[in-house]
Amino acid sequence: GAVVSQHPSWVICKSGTSVKIECRSLDFQATTMFWYRQFPKQSLMLMATSNEGSKATYEQGVEKDKFLINHASLTLSTLTVTSAHPEDSSFYICSAGGGTGSTNEKLFFGSGTQLSVL
Amino acid sequence: AQKITQTQPGMFVQEKEAVTLDCTYDTSDPSYGLFWYKQPSSGEMIFLIYQGSYDQQNATEGRYSLNFQKARKSANLVISASQLGDSAMYFCAMREGWQGAQKLVFGQGTRLTINP
Repeated sequence: GAVVSQHPSWVICKSGTSVKIECRSLDFQATTMFWYRQFPKQSLMLMATSNEGSKATYEQGVEKDKFLINHASLTLSTLTVTSAHPEDSSFYICSAGGGTGSTNEKLFFGSGTQLSVL
Repeated sequence: AQKITQTQPGMFVQEKEAVTLDCTYDTSDPSYGLFWYKQPSSGEMIFLIYQGSYDQQNATEGRYSLNFQKARKSANLVISASQLGDSAMYFCAMREGWQGAQKLVFGQGTRLTINP
């Protein structure tokens, strides 16, 4: 099956610093990637849709200036949490779609990034 | 309005028994896809099974099968012969539209615990 790689798996940072999370599709070209956020014991909530070569589409209530998304190539999307604060501590996970054939129906997820802001 | 509803916050099942995890959905789009994912404590989302709205037969993947009842808008996951390693969170999700690049909406999840 298709593989999506996400790094880092976990990160601890000081309040006020910025953190970049990478999401790569390893064996298919992902025209679209999605970034989700998950608080403990809760479901995944979509933050934004990342489209290759164009601006990301943010869900209502998500600050686009705080969560910067870049999708510069068909295999890489990055999420940068700018000026992170403790309330940004969460599990962030990406998914990739837009492949051909069977991968077009199945959205595959990265392994997630646990962000802890001190 | 909730688009995906999982009414079972937790389920406890004896090892080797079959288990059904409930999922109902709401959409006016005739083209949609339904997914089930398993999330162990490590956090990764493991794809289990997919059902397209136009698929005539219920999807099956090994021990997993999806009981798709279109008129009732339900897409229950059935795990046969449960194993201890099946203990995890399970999420039902829906994609509206026919393309794989559409976003997913997730249900609240069900925590499944398999007892030895």
